[in-house]
Amino acid sequence: DVKVTQSSRYLVKRTGEKVFLECVQDMDHENMFWYRQDPGLGLRLIYFSYDVKMKEKGDIPEGYSVSREKKERFSLILESASTNQTSMYLCASSLWGDGEQYFGPGTRLTVT
Amino acid sequence: AQSVTQLDSQVPVFEEAPVELRCNYSSSVSVYLFWYVQYPNQGLQLLLKYLSGSTLVKGINGFEAEFNKSQTSFHLRKPSVHISDTAEYFCAVNGAGNMLTFGGGTRLMVKP
Repeated sequence: DVKVTQSSRYLVKRTGEKVFLECVQDMDHENMFWYRQDPGLGLRLIYFSYDVKMKEKGDIPEGYSVSREKKERFSLILESASTNQTSMYLCASSLWGDGEQYFGPGTRLTVT
Repeated sequence: AQSVTQLDSQVPVFEEAPVELRCNYSSSVSVYLFWYVQYPNQGLQLLLKYLSGSTLVKGINGFEAEFNKSQTSFHLRKPSVHISDTAEYFCAVNGAGNMLTFGGGTRLMVKP
Protein backbone atom coordinates (compact mmCIF):
# COMPACT_ATOMS: atom_id res chain seq x y z
CA ASP A 1 0.00 0.00 0.00
CA VAL A 2 1.11 3.52 -0.78
CA LYS A 3 1.70 5.51 2.32
CA VAL A 4 1.80 9.28 2.48
CA THR A 5 2.65 10.74 5.85
CA GLN A 6 2.54 14.31 7.08
CA SER A 7 4.70 15.54 9.91
CA SER A 8 1.90 16.87 12.11
CA ARG A 9 -1.84 16.30 12.41
CA TYR A 10 -2.42 19.54 14.31
CA LEU A 11 -0.24 22.62 14.48
CA VAL A 12 -0.69 25.98 16.18
CA LYS A 13 1.58 28.85 15.19
CA ARG A 14 1.73 32.59 15.81
CA THR A 15 1.39 35.27 13.17
CA GLY A 16 4.74 35.99 11.55
CA GLU A 17 6.31 32.63 12.36
CA LYS A 18 7.98 30.55 9.68
CA VAL A 19 6.14 27.25 9.33
CA PHE A 20 7.32 24.02 7.74
CA LEU A 21 4.92 21.25 6.74
CA GLU A 22 6.59 18.02 5.73
CA CYS A 23 5.24 15.27 3.53
CA VAL A 24 6.85 11.90 2.82
CA GLN A 25 5.72 9.17 0.44
CA ASP A 26 7.15 5.67 0.32
CA MET A 27 6.23 4.47 -3.19
CA ASP A 28 8.74 6.25 -5.41
CA HIS A 29 6.09 8.52 -6.95
CA GLU A 30 7.33 11.21 -9.30
CA ASN A 31 4.58 13.72 -8.58
CA MET A 32 3.75 15.39 -5.29
CA PHE A 33 1.15 18.02 -4.46
CA TRP A 34 0.13 20.43 -1.72
CA TYR A 35 -3.49 21.49 -1.33
CA ARG A 36 -5.37 23.55 1.17
CA GLN A 37 -8.94 22.73 2.06
CA ASP A 38 -11.41 25.27 3.39
CA PRO A 39 -15.15 24.89 4.05
CA GLY A 40 -17.15 25.67 0.92
CA LEU A 41 -14.05 26.04 -1.26
CA GLY A 42 -13.09 22.41 -1.76
CA LEU A 43 -9.45 21.57 -2.49
CA ARG A 44 -7.22 24.24 -3.94
CA LEU A 45 -3.80 23.42 -5.34
CA ILE A 46 -0.94 25.43 -3.86
CA TYR A 47 2.12 23.88 -5.54
CA PHE A 48 3.11 20.66 -7.19
CA SER A 49 6.35 18.97 -8.15
CA TYR A 50 6.99 16.42 -10.87
CA ASP A 51 10.62 15.73 -10.05
CA VAL A 52 13.33 16.46 -7.54
CA LYS A 53 14.10 20.19 -7.40
CA MET A 54 11.24 20.91 -9.81
CA LYS A 55 8.17 22.85 -8.75
CA GLU A 56 5.19 24.47 -10.38
CA LYS A 57 2.71 26.98 -9.00
CA GLY A 58 -0.83 25.88 -8.53
CA ASP A 59 -3.91 28.03 -8.18
CA ILE A 60 -3.03 29.79 -4.92
CA PRO A 61 0.77 29.97 -4.43
CA GLU A 62 0.89 33.41 -2.82
CA GLY A 63 2.38 33.31 0.66
CA TYR A 64 3.81 29.81 0.21
CA SER A 65 6.96 28.20 -1.09
CA VAL A 66 8.02 24.57 -1.48
CA SER A 67 11.11 22.44 -1.46
CA ARG A 68 11.79 19.03 -2.96
CA GLU A 69 15.38 17.98 -2.33
CA LYS A 70 14.63 14.24 -2.31
CA LYS A 71 12.11 12.31 -4.36
CA GLU A 72 10.16 11.07 -1.36
CA ARG A 73 9.88 14.38 0.49
CA PHE A 74 7.95 17.54 -0.38
CA SER A 75 7.91 20.45 2.04
CA LEU A 76 5.51 23.37 2.19
CA ILE A 77 6.86 26.56 3.74
CA LEU A 78 4.92 29.51 5.07
CA GLU A 79 7.57 32.23 5.22
CA SER A 80 5.53 34.46 7.55
CA ALA A 81 2.34 32.84 8.71
CA SER A 82 -0.84 34.90 8.68
CA THR A 83 -4.26 34.22 10.16
CA ASN A 84 -5.76 33.73 6.69
CA GLN A 85 -3.51 30.69 6.28
CA THR A 86 -5.42 28.87 8.98
CA SER A 87 -6.63 25.80 7.11
CA MET A 88 -6.38 22.07 6.53
CA TYR A 89 -3.32 21.22 4.41
CA LEU A 90 -3.29 18.02 2.39
CA CYS A 91 -0.33 16.42 0.67
CA ALA A 92 -0.70 13.90 -2.16
CA SER A 93 1.48 11.91 -4.51
CA SER A 94 1.00 10.12 -7.82
CA LEU A 95 2.74 8.24 -10.57
CA TRP A 96 2.66 9.41 -14.16
CA GLY A 97 -0.34 7.69 -15.67
CA ASP A 98 -4.03 8.04 -14.94
CA GLY A 99 -3.49 10.74 -12.35
CA GLU A 100 -4.76 8.87 -9.30
CA GLN A 101 -3.48 10.69 -6.24
CA TYR A 102 -2.75 9.21 -2.84
CA PHE A 103 -3.37 11.52 0.07
CA GLY A 104 -1.83 11.97 3.49
CA PRO A 105 -3.98 12.41 6.61
CA GLY A 106 -3.75 16.20 6.54
CA THR A 107 -2.36 18.87 8.85
CA ARG A 108 -4.82 21.23 10.51
CA LEU A 109 -2.90 24.48 10.94
CA THR A 110 -4.14 27.28 13.16
CA VAL A 111 -2.40 30.64 13.02
CA THR A 112 -3.20 32.93 15.95
CA ALA B 1 -9.26 23.42 -19.16
CA GLN B 2 -11.40 21.12 -17.06
CA SER B 3 -14.02 21.91 -14.49
CA VAL B 4 -16.10 19.78 -12.16
CA THR B 5 -19.44 20.67 -10.66
CA GLN B 6 -20.97 18.79 -7.77
CA LEU B 7 -24.54 19.92 -7.82
CA ASP B 8 -25.37 19.34 -4.17
CA SER B 9 -23.27 20.68 -1.33
CA GLN B 10 -25.16 18.59 1.23
CA VAL B 11 -27.28 15.48 0.90
CA PRO B 12 -29.22 14.28 3.96
CA VAL B 13 -30.57 10.75 3.77
CA PHE B 14 -31.95 8.17 6.16
CA GLU B 15 -30.05 4.99 6.91
CA GLU B 16 -30.75 2.11 4.47
CA ALA B 17 -32.13 4.51 1.84
CA PRO B 18 -30.52 4.79 -1.61
CA VAL B 19 -28.41 7.82 -2.46
CA GLU B 20 -27.07 9.50 -5.58
CA LEU B 21 -24.36 12.17 -5.50
CA ARG B 22 -24.21 14.12 -8.72
CA CYS B 23 -21.12 15.17 -10.64
CA ASN B 24 -20.85 16.94 -13.97
CA TYR B 25 -17.64 17.85 -15.70
CA SER B 26 -16.46 19.82 -18.68
CA SER B 27 -13.39 19.02 -20.69
CA SER B 28 -12.21 19.38 -24.25
CA VAL B 29 -10.27 16.11 -24.11
CA SER B 30 -10.97 12.55 -23.05
CA VAL B 31 -10.97 12.24 -19.30
CA TYR B 32 -10.33 9.93 -16.45
CA LEU B 33 -12.83 10.34 -13.61
CA PHE B 34 -12.51 9.71 -9.90
CA TRP B 35 -14.57 9.72 -6.72
CA TYR B 36 -12.82 10.22 -3.39
CA VAL B 37 -14.23 10.04 0.14
CA GLN B 38 -13.02 12.05 3.13
CA TYR B 39 -14.02 10.99 6.63
CA PRO B 40 -13.83 13.64 9.38
CA ASN B 41 -10.30 14.85 10.07
CA GLN B 42 -8.75 12.49 7.55
CA GLY B 43 -7.23 12.70 4.09
CA LEU B 44 -8.97 11.66 0.89
CA GLN B 45 -9.35 8.00 -0.01
CA LEU B 46 -10.12 6.67 -3.49
CA LEU B 47 -13.61 5.16 -3.84
CA LEU B 48 -13.48 4.32 -7.55
CA LYS B 49 -12.20 5.51 -10.91
CA TYR B 50 -13.19 5.36 -14.54
CA LEU B 51 -10.43 5.05 -17.11
CA SER B 52 -12.07 3.25 -20.05
CA GLY B 53 -14.30 0.32 -20.90
CA SER B 54 -17.53 -0.40 -19.06
CA THR B 55 -19.31 2.79 -18.10
CA LEU B 56 -20.49 1.30 -14.81
CA VAL B 57 -17.68 1.29 -12.29
CA LYS B 58 -17.83 -0.48 -8.95
CA GLY B 59 -15.85 0.76 -5.99
CA ILE B 60 -15.28 0.09 -2.33
CA ASN B 61 -17.94 0.06 0.38
CA GLY B 62 -20.74 -0.82 -2.08
CA PHE B 63 -20.53 2.38 -4.12
CA GLU B 64 -20.76 2.51 -7.88
CA ALA B 65 -20.71 5.25 -10.50
CA GLU B 66 -21.84 5.54 -14.09
CA PHE B 67 -19.94 7.45 -16.74
CA ASN B 68 -22.23 9.18 -19.22
CA LYS B 69 -20.23 10.81 -21.98
CA SER B 70 -23.17 12.49 -23.71
CA GLN B 71 -24.29 14.14 -20.48
CA THR B 72 -20.70 14.64 -19.21
CA SER B 73 -21.72 13.16 -15.89
CA PHE B 74 -20.25 10.70 -13.41
CA HIS B 75 -22.85 10.25 -10.67
CA LEU B 76 -22.10 8.16 -7.59
CA ARG B 77 -24.72 5.80 -6.19
CA LYS B 78 -25.26 3.42 -3.33
CA PRO B 79 -28.44 1.34 -2.99
CA SER B 80 -28.49 1.36 0.82
CA VAL B 81 -26.41 3.71 2.96
CA HIS B 82 -25.09 3.18 6.48
CA ILE B 83 -24.34 5.64 9.23
CA SER B 84 -20.64 4.98 8.56
CA ASP B 85 -21.02 6.46 5.05
CA THR B 86 -21.37 9.93 6.57
CA ALA B 87 -18.45 11.81 5.00
CA GLU B 88 -17.56 14.32 2.31
CA TYR B 89 -17.33 13.05 -1.25
CA PHE B 90 -15.27 14.62 -4.01
CA CYS B 91 -15.52 14.08 -7.75
CA ALA B 92 -12.36 14.74 -9.78
CA VAL B 93 -11.26 14.72 -13.39
CA ASN B 94 -7.85 14.25 -14.99
CA GLY B 95 -8.05 15.63 -18.52
CA ALA B 96 -4.48 16.22 -19.58
CA GLY B 97 -1.25 15.70 -17.79
CA ASN B 98 -1.31 14.48 -14.23
CA MET B 99 -3.36 17.19 -12.62
CA LEU B 100 -6.67 16.48 -10.96
CA THR B 101 -9.43 19.07 -10.94
CA PHE B 102 -11.75 18.57 -7.97
CA GLY B 103 -15.36 19.49 -7.48
CA GLY B 104 -16.44 21.45 -4.43
CA GLY B 105 -17.48 18.35 -2.52
CA THR B 106 -20.79 16.93 -1.30
CA ARG B 107 -21.39 16.29 2.36
CA LEU B 108 -23.41 13.11 2.81
CA MET B 109 -25.26 13.03 6.12
CA VAL B 110 -26.82 9.69 6.99
CA LYS B 111 -29.47 9.88 9.69
CA PRO B 112 -30.68 6.98 11.82
